[in-house]
Amino acid sequence: EVQLVESGGGLVQPGGSLRLSCAPSEFTFSDFWMTWVRQAPGKGLEWVANINLSGGEKNYADSVKGRFTISRDNAKNSLFLQMNSLRAEDTAIYYCARGTVGAPRSAFDIWGQGTMVTVSS
Amino acid sequence: QSALTQPPSASGSPGQSITISCTGTSSDVGGYHSVSWFQQHPGKAPKLMISEVTKRPSGVPDRFSGSKSGNTASLTVSGLQAEDEADYYCSSFSSSNNVIFGGGTKLTVL
Repeated sequence: EVQLVESGGGLVQPGGSLRLSCAPSEFTFSDFWMTWVRQAPGKGLEWVANINLSGGEKNYADSVKGRFTISRDNAKNSLFLQMNSLRAEDTAIYYCARGTVGAPRSAFDIWGQGTMVTVSS
Repeated sequence: QSALTQPPSASGSPGQSITISCTGTSSDVGGYHSVSWFQQHPGKAPKLMISEVTKRPSGVPDRFSGSKSGNTASLTVSGLQAEDEADYYCSSFSSSNNVIFGGGTKLTVL
């Protein structure tokens, strides 16, 4: 089954760091753009960052620019989100998602189950 | 960048049709053929229902259709069924090289 599995979420203090991982299965990871999307409790979806096939192009939402870093390791079939200087407003479920072939940056056809990040003292 | 504008709620009876709007600007919805629609049931991950304004992925019922006019995109659900009750989000690529989501619409099947 084609799927994505996130890991790495948890409770962290404000100002702390966390690294999320996303592992794909049953598809060629290096053929797809990948994206992180988050959803605060009871709120809507928010695009966080995306990365192209080679990892040479990365784009970020203004709300996380300078604090979060998206990366990928195609050899190890893994996507990452390094989150530094975390704030309470970063508390959310974080989803990794695969871009479609036709609209790789804006249409996401495979989603992970999500991993919860809670920023609190 | 502001979220795309969606009505917070919509409702219809089984068998009826409903349309959810998604309004942006010429820098996002109006400027690109890149509007997507996602369905999200409580506690679940979002599911892609429409991509590139009108394309329906394999497995999505043809009761779901998308369109766009100017800066406003729309999702129409025909022949409403109980399982269509969910939150729906639109998204669009934007000129800032990022992606904007709508605030979401809660669809209730009466």
